[in-house]
Amino acid sequence: GQQVMQIPQYQHVQEGEDFTTYCNSSTTLSNIQWYKQRPGGHPVFLIQLVKSGEVKKQKRLTFQFGEAKKNSSLHITATQTTDVGTYFCAGGASGQAGTALIFGKGTTLSVSS
Amino acid sequence: ETGVTQSPTHLIKTRGQQVTLRCSSQSGHNTVSWYQQALGQGPQFIFQYYREEENGRGNFPPRFSGLQFPNYSSELNVNALELDDSALYLCASSLKLRASTDTQYFGPGTRLTVL
Repeated sequence: GQQVMQIPQYQHVQEGEDFTTYCNSSTTLSNIQWYKQRPGGHPVFLIQLVKSGEVKKQKRLTFQFGEAKKNSSLHITATQTTDVGTYFCAGGASGQAGTALIFGKGTTLSVSS
Repeated sequence: ETGVTQSPTHLIKTRGQQVTLRCSSQSGHNTVSWYQQALGQGPQFIFQYYREEENGRGNFPPRFSGLQFPNYSSELNVNALELDDSALYLCASSLKLRASTDTQYFGPGTRLTVL
């Protein structure tokens, strides 16, 4: 079945350093969504990418969707302690009505000040 | 806050018991999806309900079942609980049928512990 893989599993950075997490799918995706889950919390929607090669920015966060629509990345510039949490990518499969999102295992980011 | 509510917040059961978890979707949303999130893992899709009918199912056995009501609220039922069923159960609501392409709004989850 469809799988979505994320690397790295964990990342620790000093405050002010950059951070990147990568997401790869075994199949072509109709879209990719990114979620953030704080410790003890639930996933919160960050963004959705739909078009091949799409790049979107939210303040210090930059999201990319690959040309083949099988990979994506999230880059955070100058991390802050508020960025701590687990970042999940979730893929929507092409041509499958009624299916929900396939989540990766997430990348857990810790930031020390 | 998303407006999606779940109850109860925490639950402890023993092996073999049955459990019912409840979810109220965000106002205006007609689709509810349920996910299981084991510790240290990403959410895994259990099933989705649209207009009171199951509309897509993940790789979970039949002892996981659900309902959606006319007001779009939903229940997740798990029979014959096993230790591996211990997890955070998340409900997510969305507006359209094709939830794989729509933003999903997650509730706070129900933490189930099976002893």
